[in-house]
Amino acid sequence: EVQLVESGGGLVQPGGSLRLSCAASGFTFSTYPMHWVRQAPGKGLEYVASINGNDYYTHYADSVKGRFTISRDNSRNTLSLQMGSLRADDAAVYYCARDTQTGFAFDAWGQGTMVTVSS
Amino acid sequence: QSALTQPASVSGSPGQSITISCTGTSRDVGYYNYVSWYQQHPGKAPKLMIYDVSNRPSGVSNRFSGSKSGNTASLTISGLQVEDEADYYCKSYSRNSSPYVFGTGTKVTVL
Repeated sequence: EVQLVESGGGLVQPGGSLRLSCAASGFTFSTYPMHWVRQAPGKGLEYVASINGNDYYTHYADSVKGRFTISRDNSRNTLSLQMGSLRADDAAVYYCARDTQTGFAFDAWGQGTMVTVSS
Repeated sequence: QSALTQPASVSGSPGQSITISCTGTSRDVGYYNYVSWYQQHPGKAPKLMIYDVSNRPSGVSNRFSGSKSGNTASLTISGLQVEDEADYYCKSYSRNSSPYVFGTGTKVTVL
């Protein structure tokens, strides 16, 4: 069974940093592109970042470019999101998601981890 | 990059069919056949319902179907059931600086 379990969310002050993790199991992690998607309270889904399976090529939403870094450790089946210079509008539930491998759709999602940005 | 445009809400009675539209531009929906649809129940993670415009993942009911014309994609739910009441989001691959863009979301209500 495919499982994605996020962790690392919490309360952080504006301007602070936080690192999210996503533990993957039930599939060959290294062969799948992975993504982060967020959802602010009461709002819609927003794409955050992507990383390829083996060449580690990354993409970012304009709203997080230069502040967030996506990475993966294929030996530990773990996806990470290092978030810096956090702002109030970064507060959201952050989901990790697996790509369909053929690309362009997200076929497995974690349960999400909440990030709150407040002083 | 602006979100794809969806109606805020759509409703229907059990057994009826409803259609949710998703309007983008010639740089996303109109350019690629990489539109996917996600169902999200309150407090839950999204679930993939349609990928590559009209393909259903294994396990998704054939009551869900997708199509596209020009810059607008559509999700049709036929034989509406109570459990279909949820939020639905479209997503497209994009030629813009961010490779993916989601729709604004549609709340489906079963009357």
